[in-house]
Amino acid sequence: DAGVIQSPRHEVTEMGQEVTLRCKPISGHDYLFWYRQTMMRGLELLIYFNNNVPIDDSGMPEDRFSAKMPNASFSTLKIQPSEPRDSAVYFCASRAAGGLNEKLFFGSGTQLSVL
Amino acid sequence: SQKIEQNSEALNIQEGKTATLTCNYTNYSPAYLQWYRQDPGRGPVFLLLIRENEKEKRKERLKVTFDTTLKQSLFHITASQPADSATYLCALAGDTGRRALTFGSGTRLQVQP
Repeated sequence: DAGVIQSPRHEVTEMGQEVTLRCKPISGHDYLFWYRQTMMRGLELLIYFNNNVPIDDSGMPEDRFSAKMPNASFSTLKIQPSEPRDSAVYFCASRAAGGLNEKLFFGSGTQLSVL
Repeated sequence: SQKIEQNSEALNIQEGKTATLTCNYTNYSPAYLQWYRQDPGRGPVFLLLIRENEKEKRKERLKVTFDTTLKQSLFHITASQPADSATYLCALAGDTGRRALTFGSGTRLQVQP
């Protein structure tokens, strides 16, 4: 398996532009998570899905952020409009259903810079 | 409020020594706790999971302890090597039913040759 795949690897954009981050989870995993990492705040949970349904979006900073999971193999995180304070590394992670399968598999992340 | 605290100061040790990293938490009753390793420019990678009814878990040179009374986990790397240099994150799930992990800020370990 190729693991969790994120794209793009790097994104540089100007303030006010729309940004779309993409994630392909590991096949067969039921849960998908979006995290954001900054030096100041560490790794923060933004939203997670179970079987394509958003379960907890309380970490989404504000209405400028939205996430979708139209099917089991694809998710997007959109920021519109983007602001400089959104600059961070955004990680997608997935895992299988419960029991002993609680560990997360992370993608390589998208480094977002908003100028 | 719920908190997970790891030493933000980098830990520098000599090759061959045992590295010990600490994870303290408050206002959680976790069923389990996990440790991850993160290298620069990469996503975290799972290392070990320890459940609330387990006092200790080992995997090769790694050892994790979990004290639910002290609300603390210790992560040990024995016979450390320069290749062990990385940031180590602890993580735990919140209340029952919440399946998402909350991460500590991580401790950077530097093993000197």
